[in-house]
Amino acid sequence: RKEVEQDPGPFNVPEGATVAFNCTYSNSASQSFFWYRQDCRKEPKLLMSVYSSGNEDGRFTAQLNRASQYISLLIRDSKLSDSATYLCVVNPARGAGSYQLTFGKGTKLSVIP
Amino acid sequence: DAGVIQSPRHEVTEMGQEVTLRCKPISGHDYLFWYRQTMMRGLELLIYFNNNVPIDDSGMPEDRFSAKMPNASFSTLKIQPSEPRDSAVYFCASRDGGDTGELFFGEGSRLTVL
Repeated sequence: RKEVEQDPGPFNVPEGATVAFNCTYSNSASQSFFWYRQDCRKEPKLLMSVYSSGNEDGRFTAQLNRASQYISLLIRDSKLSDSATYLCVVNPARGAGSYQLTFGKGTKLSVIP
Repeated sequence: DAGVIQSPRHEVTEMGQEVTLRCKPISGHDYLFWYRQTMMRGLELLIYFNNNVPIDDSGMPEDRFSAKMPNASFSTLKIQPSEPRDSAVYFCASRDGGDTGELFFGEGSRLTVL
């Protein structure tokens, strides 16, 4: 089983739609979780952290289910500018190894006018 | 403020040639990472440094790859000899010692080995 798995998509949605991405991770000891965004031919950038209680940043909501080892990202009222690849990222451990983020291969989103 | 700076942005070379990629991390960041991204394998961590010391190089594919960080503001990733399967985008990233999980990536070096 891959360490971090995502549906590669692409997800093609109309403007204004709500879209959800899912991600599963294999290491049950993983400590922290993030979503990064990568625009075409650009570098990845942090979108948001994912907290156990769930967290929201404007139109974006991230949730974590530790029991199922599952992370989600919900985007409401999609904008054309949301078109990008969304990378699920897991920090596998605390302590000395806590800086080796593991990236999923990403889910591509295209928002259509 | 300047972000992570990588050079070259693009490189096309022939099989067997030596390739050197360069990175200047954000000033004050203690950690530097080299990643490789391909369509097939996504983003893979090759090696990372803490305070200029290599901590984990288990992701380095083979002996043809080497990385150095002679000082806090400069790192190199070298491939010698290069092979077509090394074609990828190589990202350098840096972060401070905090717990935010935020990596700051450079714009990447797109390598094509013919």
